[in-house]
Amino acid sequence: SQQGEEDPQALSIQEGENATMNCSYKTSINNLQWYRQNSGRGLVHLILIRSNEREKHSGRLRVTLDTSKKSSSLLITASRAADTASYFCATVPTLDDKIIFGKGTRLHILP
Amino acid sequence: GAVVSQHPSWVICKSGTSVKIECRSLDFQATTMFWYRQFPKQSLMLMATSNEGSKATYEQGVEKDKFLINHASLTLSTLTVTSAHPEDSSFYICSTFTGGPEAFFGQGTRLTVV
Repeated sequence: SQQGEEDPQALSIQEGENATMNCSYKTSINNLQWYRQNSGRGLVHLILIRSNEREKHSGRLRVTLDTSKKSSSLLITASRAADTASYFCATVPTLDDKIIFGKGTRLHILP
Repeated sequence: GAVVSQHPSWVICKSGTSVKIECRSLDFQATTMFWYRQFPKQSLMLMATSNEGSKATYEQGVEKDKFLINHASLTLSTLTVTSAHPEDSSFYICSTFTGGPEAFFGQGTRLTVV
């Protein structure tokens, strides 16, 4: 089953620009996480935001969470070519221990 | 360093044969392992949850007899795709938790059935 819906599905921007990806989910959650996947590889955890948090920063990453709207956004500032990858939001529904992934955003950074 | 080691990273097999994919937890004991399937340019779909010493829990629509999961030890979970068909060709990934809320993933296995 899938929980999250990301938009856009694909995003191409120039190197140096900021990239914003959005995620919506359906059920109440304990936390929301963002993962990155390079082509043909496993996923790498980027950042986690708890249900009682509204914003979190980590390096060039900024995540927001709006539990009333059941949505989150991931902002990557000053994008680099190496940021080219797919980004997935993932939620852990309350009363569950599974991670449910959104559909993902394919980000392409143009040199 | 890697937390979960998945092997093989890719495999090609003939239709009708079986393929085993292994996921090993490194330096910790994984009582639970999650198995996902991913089609090109799509998200990860949870197939099943394996629990050490007990039967796996399969998601709705996943054939138990086709995707055999074994979690016989605290450091090894295996997924066996039996009687493989070309439509089983996909990217399979395992993941687990090490005590915190973030998941750690294997490198993934690209299965091609010809």
